[in-house]
Amino acid sequence: AQSVTQPDIHITVSEGASLELRCNYSYGATPYLFWYVQSPGQGLQLLLKYFSGDTLVQGIKGFEAEFKRSQSSFNLRKPSVHWSDAAEYFCAVGENQGGKLIFGQGTELSVKP
Amino acid sequence: GAVVSQHPSWVICKSGTSVKIECRSLDFQATTMFWYRQFPKQSLMLMATSNEGSKATYEQGVEKDKFLINHASLTLSTLTVTSAHPEDSSFYICSARTGGSEQYFGPGTRLTVT
Repeated sequence: AQSVTQPDIHITVSEGASLELRCNYSYGATPYLFWYVQSPGQGLQLLLKYFSGDTLVQGIKGFEAEFKRSQSSFNLRKPSVHWSDAAEYFCAVGENQGGKLIFGQGTELSVKP
Repeated sequence: GAVVSQHPSWVICKSGTSVKIECRSLDFQATTMFWYRQFPKQSLMLMATSNEGSKATYEQGVEKDKFLINHASLTLSTLTVTSAHPEDSSFYICSARTGGSEQYFGPGTRLTVT
């Protein structure tokens, strides 16, 4: 069955520290992978996506993610976290760019001053 | 560009009544719209996919007679929760796409059924 797992429900990091949010997927075909951020009162915003090619993808707001097929992972990273990064982060997998998405459970990020 | 709005942002209704939620693509024509449901601190679960002018395709386990979806124009889709009950209280999110583009998400509608 197709699924996405985000092992960490809640993560707290200090401002300026590095961040890595984990995402593992189970998908039969070549997946289209996405990371979204959800802030209160706002819709999901796409941070980055991976379809093919270079396995290290750059996104907005200084985020990047690396696709590792052997580990079925698509972890999100940021070298230096800002207080404004506090939000809920969702990893998702789909069959194509605009098709049905399967979301992970989400990881809530808190940032300590 | 690619803005999706939802109205209302928050609605409270009494048990047994129906409530309609609108999803609009403001600056593009949405050939496909998706409706998701999100429980507190949980993931988004796809409820249905609607293509303009066609009947919606519902995911397994979603009652199509309870959650009526209409996609009558290229900029508007509506979700009507009929005979709402407290267990229908949730956060409903729509997304829209045009052609093969990525999905653009609305800000969501919080439904509380008393």
